Amino acid sequence: ETGVTQTPRHLVMGMTNKKSLKCEQHLGHNAMYWYKQSAKKPLELMFVYSLEERVENNSVPSRFSPECPNSSHLFLHLHTLQPEDSALYLCASSLSGSQNSPLHFGNGTRLTVT
Amino acid sequence: AQKITQTQPGMFVQEKEAVTLDCTYDTSDPSYGLFWYKQPSSGEMIFLIYQGSYDQQNATEGRYSLNFQKARKSANLVISASQLGDSAMYFCAMREPQNNNNDMRFGAGTRLTVKP
Repeated sequence: ETGVTQTPRHLVMGMTNKKSLKCEQHLGHNAMYWYKQSAKKPLELMFVYSLEERVENNSVPSRFSPECPNSSHLFLHLHTLQPEDSALYLCASSLSGSQNSPLHFGNGTRLTVT
Repeated sequence: AQKITQTQPGMFVQEKEAVTLDCTYDTSDPSYGLFWYKQPSSGEMIFLIYQGSYDQQNATEGRYSLNFQKARKSANLVISASQLGDSAMYFCAMREPQNNNNDMRFGAGTRLTVKP
């Protein structure tokens, strides 16, 4: 039990599909993150929500749309993706504003775009 | 520009020996936090150890210790008495004050293989 749960674990979608990734945390954290992990590249920070407000958006294409309805849930809505978007998508949570608070990660969603 | 540099794409160590994984970082902020994570083949990122920029002593957590050299901007991870289960990817990360300490960036990682 990681405390951060991501669903689904695996997802295969076509370029015209619309799907959503879900993340849920039960750690009482108030900051949530989406990272993308591609082969042979460092983890890329995509979005950060602190106290349910988006505070970071690292020039992510608009085909990725995050949603944070409350401090425990985070979604990543996907539409018209490209094959290069195939990657492991990791959700994480931490205490907002706390420098020594580590990120707690979920197990990730392995996304394949065909 | 890459703020976290891990220069060792892969490392090998004999079981029961110690190994050092390198990490250098770049920041102009006096206040920052450094973290190490382990990622086994299962994909989960596991937090290992934390070092604050103002901490006077090197952090230790069980078999993990952090060799923090502030002037050199390095934060190397030392794993003592390596075990087969230590085989994994290891990532160094830094948190800076921007965005209210909510910005954490990672290095490219080092793949550690422990030989029996």
